[in-house]
Amino acid sequence: DAGVTQSPTHLIKTRGQQVTLRCSPKSGHDTVSWYQQALGQGPQFIFQYYEEEERQRGNFPDRFSGHQFPNYSSELNVNALLLGDSALYLCASSLFGVDEKLFFGSGTQLSVL
Amino acid sequence: GENVEQHPSTLSVQEGDSAVIKCTYSDSASNYFPWYKQELGKRPQLIIDIRSNVGEKKDQRIAVTLNKTAKHFSLHITETQPEDSAVYFCAANEDAGGTSYGKLTFGQGTILTVHP
Repeated sequence: DAGVTQSPTHLIKTRGQQVTLRCSPKSGHDTVSWYQQALGQGPQFIFQYYEEEERQRGNFPDRFSGHQFPNYSSELNVNALLLGDSALYLCASSLFGVDEKLFFGSGTQLSVL
Repeated sequence: GENVEQHPSTLSVQEGDSAVIKCTYSDSASNYFPWYKQELGKRPQLIIDIRSNVGEKKDQRIAVTLNKTAKHFSLHITETQPEDSAVYFCAANEDAGGTSYGKLTFGQGTILTVHP
């Protein structure tokens, strides 16, 4: 039973560039949530996808966008990267309306230079 | 929105001692409170959770208590072991219109160090 998988594990970009992060949820899960974890901080909610739609969004600018595919996998896109976007990006999956337990992937460490 | 405060930020104990981490939340509508353990460079792992209709929950050496009136909840680890050393995060959900979409607000984390 595969857990939540994310790719890539590490990424280095420069300011102004765009990045795409990918996530495959745990087998049997249909909901994907994305979190940003700055160094020494707790994860912060970016947004959540269910049935290929964004269901909820945290306090993040429109530069952060996402997508969910029919197979429940998801992408997080960040445009016009800023130095402050450097963080660990975590994907978490769950089963909508049934169980609130979130299972996290190992994350993508994004460094913006 | 929800605000979760966690303390202490660091906690150092001797092996075999107990450790207690406390969190407060602001949104009285929150009804799900998980705790995550994150080892260095690894994913956050759910270690225990509690719902608002329960006051206490135990799982071996770990227990969580919830006081809805005071809006605070705590993690208790007994007989601590060196492998318990990690960062621990509490969280609370935001119940969106009666149907939880699983949006969690996390505390700032507690670095627990267990000395052999």
